[in-house]
Amino acid sequence: GAGVSQSPRYKVAKRGQDVALRCDPISGHVSLFWYQQALGQGPEFLTYFQNEAQLDKSGLPSDRFFAERPEGSVSTLKIQRTQQEDSAVYLCASSLTYGSYEQYFGPGTRLTVT
Amino acid sequence: QKEVEQDPGPLSVPEGAIVSLNCTYSNSAFQYFMWYRQYSRKGPELLMYTYSSGNKEDGRFTAQVDKSSKYISLFIRDSQPSDSATYLCAMSAEEYGNKLVFGAGTILRVKS
Repeated sequence: GAGVSQSPRYKVAKRGQDVALRCDPISGHVSLFWYQQALGQGPEFLTYFQNEAQLDKSGLPSDRFFAERPEGSVSTLKIQRTQQEDSAVYLCASSLTYGSYEQYFGPGTRLTVT
Repeated sequence: QKEVEQDPGPLSVPEGAIVSLNCTYSNSAFQYFMWYRQYSRKGPELLMYTYSSGNKEDGRFTAQVDKSSKYISLFIRDSQPSDSATYLCAMSAEEYGNKLVFGAGTILRVKS
């Protein structure tokens, strides 16, 4: 079956622009996660949804970052007024049930802020 | 100090060698341990998932967890050039909800 998909795969934004990154989880997966991966580092947690409820947003670095999953499937991560330090790969992962630690990742969106 | 430490490598081995990849961690509450493989410009791919201490084997891969030492390992037998990738350890605990805490990753190069 289809895995987690993300779009766009690559995004170049000028500093100050707003961007929206999309994640389509595996069909039927209840939990959805966003992670940020800087070059040469492991992914770092940003936020987590169970269905449409955002249960943890403790990893969002500032109030410029906002995520939603209004119908409990597709999710969007929005970054307002992008800064150079936002340049990273943004990974989306999903898992089948709440409480499952087996997370399946998408290919990521590589964001470059110039 | 990071919660999860992982030697970044690169680790270079000849084809057919046994590879040992390791992570140490500081939080004794961690109970769930994962190993992911990440190819360049791809997302992490789940290889192994282990709960608490002990060993788990899947084909050429063996995961070991030693909670007393706060140390986990991934062994790859008969390594192949296609195993060349970055290997990420990840872990979690119930107090973390479902979020994973990752190491920085070890770059592995298997030479043919």
